[in-house]
Order: sequence, then C-alpha cells, then structure tokens
Amino acid sequence: GEDVEQSLFLSVREGDSSVINCTYTDSSSTYLYWYKQEPGAGLQLLTYIFSNMDMKQDQRLTVLLNKKDKHLSLRIADTQTGDSAIYFCAESSNSGNTPLVFGKGTRLSVIA
Amino acid sequence: DAGVIQSPRHEVTEMGQEVTLRCKPISGHNSLFWYRQTMMRGLELLIYFNNNVPIDDSGMPEDRFSAKMPNASFSTLKIQPSEPRDSAVYFCASSLGTSGSTQYFGPGTRLTVL
Repeated sequence: GEDVEQSLFLSVREGDSSVINCTYTDSSSTYLYWYKQEPGAGLQLLTYIFSNMDMKQDQRLTVLLNKKDKHLSLRIADTQTGDSAIYFCAESSNSGNTPLVFGKGTRLSVIA
Repeated sequence: DAGVIQSPRHEVTEMGQEVTLRCKPISGHNSLFWYRQTMMRGLELLIYFNNNVPIDDSGMPEDRFSAKMPNASFSTLKIQPSEPRDSAVYFCASSLGTSGSTQYFGPGTRLTVL
C-alpha cells in the first residue's frame, strides 16, 4: 500500500535553514503537500507541488521533488521560533476528491 | 469564508456512551473527508464523501463507527458505543472535489473516552 515516511524530529537554531525530508512509495502520486500543525490546532496547508515539477519556491519555503527517488523536501529559510510546529508530508493521486496519505510528521524545534 | 467548522472542539465521555461529531464544510465544496489523529498511528482516513455520497469507508475501524452526510453543508461521525481506544483528535476536511483542488482542514475535535 501507499506509505509516506518522515524523520520524527528536527532541531535548528533561529536564523538557520531547516530542511525536512519525506519519502513516498506510490509512483502514481500526482500531488505532494506540506501541512503545518501548531499545538492544539488543525492542519494548515503550507505549499504543494505537482509531480511534473522539480522545485517550487514560495517566500521562505522551497520544495524540492526528486520523482525518480520519490523524495520530497521542504526547506525553510531564516527559521523563526514561530516556525516551531509539526510538519506533515502528504501525497495523493488526485487530491481534489481522493484522500491524502500522510507521513507521521516531523516535529521542528527552533532554538532561540 | 469561515473555513471548515467542527463541533464540539472537545468532548469527554465515558466508555459505552454515544458520541456524535459534527462538521460543516466550506460552502461550495463537494468532497468531505474524516481523518483521525493518534500518537501511535498518525493521521488516518476514516471515510470520505463526494457529492454527499460515501465513497470509501474502509478506514472506519469497526461497526461502532458510522458517518452520514445528509446534505452538502453537514456531516456527522458517530461512535456507539465509545471505547477508551477511540480517544483521538478527529479532523474533518473539505475540498472543491476537482482535480488538483486542495483539502482544507477544520480545527478538529479532541475526544477523550474514559
């Protein structure tokens, strides 16, 4: 079945870049997402990338996709304490009307 | 737009009681998803609807779980009888249902079954 893997923890210093990695198994994944979850809150969509793209940049966020290796990464430039949260990688073959398959989430801790 | 609305935000109940979780999707969205989040299993799909019709309920753990979507603006997830292992955060999400449309999540309902 489909599987999405992420490392569970990442700790960085304020001002440094954070890189969160994700691997997936479903070769039919068309849409890949990064969601952010702050304590006690729901999931906030950060960014997404289509499988025909290699890279997408959105302000401090850069998403890289290596479709051959089924590897996705999220880079956060100039990491701030407000970026401390759990980041979920998710994939879908269609997205709009099919479920997302999530990784277990990476807890990012930003040290001041 | 108010976003996806879920109620209650928190629910504490005793084992054996019936629990009903509610969700109002974003107006105009045609797909609705129920997910459950636990420490052990992460985020899992329970059931989803397209145009109010259940498409896949294979994630519903047992017959104690049921979900309905009587109209485009309302869905319920019911657990009867509830058990301590049902304790989790239950999220509802909705999307336009078109290819490439993104899913927007509600704030979740934190359920504790004693």
